[in-house]
Amino acid sequence: AQSVTQLDSHVSVSEGTPVLLRCNYSSSYSPSLFWYVQHPNKGLQLLLKYTSAATLVKGINGFEAEFKKSETSFHLTKPSAHMSDAAEYFCVVSMVGSGTYKYIFGTGTRLKVLA
Amino acid sequence: DTAVSQTPKYLVTQMGNDKSIKCEQNLGHDTMYWYKQDSKKFLKIMFSYNNKELIINETVPNRFSPKSPDKAHLNLHINSLELGDSAVYFCASSQKTGPGRAEAFFGQGTRLTVV
Repeated sequence: AQSVTQLDSHVSVSEGTPVLLRCNYSSSYSPSLFWYVQHPNKGLQLLLKYTSAATLVKGINGFEAEFKKSETSFHLTKPSAHMSDAAEYFCVVSMVGSGTYKYIFGTGTRLKVLA
Repeated sequence: DTAVSQTPKYLVTQMGNDKSIKCEQNLGHDTMYWYKQDSKKFLKIMFSYNNKELIINETVPNRFSPKSPDKAHLNLHINSLELGDSAVYFCASSQKTGPGRAEAFFGQGTRLTVV
C-alpha cells in the first residue's frame, strides 16, 4: 500500500534562509508524488509533482523537490524563505485502483518563517 | 474562471440538521472526490466518483451521501449532523488516467461547524 510520512510537524526558519521539508514515501511501484501548500483558511494549491520523468522537479515560488528512489524520499526545498511561504505543506502520493487515482496525504508540516 | 468551486464556503448549523455542499468543476475531468480535513489538518478521502459512478467509499457513515448528477458535479449531503462532523470539506477533481499521472485540483473548501 502507498503512504507518505512527513517527518516534521513544524519547521521554523528565518527569512532568507533555506527551507527543507522532509517526506518519505512507501510504494509498491513507481509512485507519483506531489507537494501541496495550504495557506491559512485557504484551499490546497499544487506546488510541484513528480511523475517518473526528471528526478529533480521545479515548482512554483522557487520550490523544488528531488525524488530519491534509494532513500524513498521526496524532500521539498527552497533556497531562501520568504514571509509569504508560511503555510501548511502536504506531501501526497497517488495510488491507482479501479481505474482511478486516490490521493493519500501526509500529516502536514507547518512552516513558520521568522522575520 | 474557477476550476473547482464549492458552495457554501462556510456552513454553521445545529446538530440533527441535514445539509448539502455543492461542487462543480469546469476542467473536463472524469473523476471527482470529497476529502475531509480535521482540526489537526489531516486530509482523508471520503468518496471518489468516476464519470458519475461511485468508485471509492472510505467507510464513511451512511449519513453522508454523495450524488453526482453529471461528471462535472459532485454534491455531498449530510443527514442528522453531529458535532464530530465539524471539519473542512474539500472537493477535488483529476483526470481518470493518463501518462502524466495527473494531479488533483482542489476547491477552496467548505468549513462546516455543527453547534
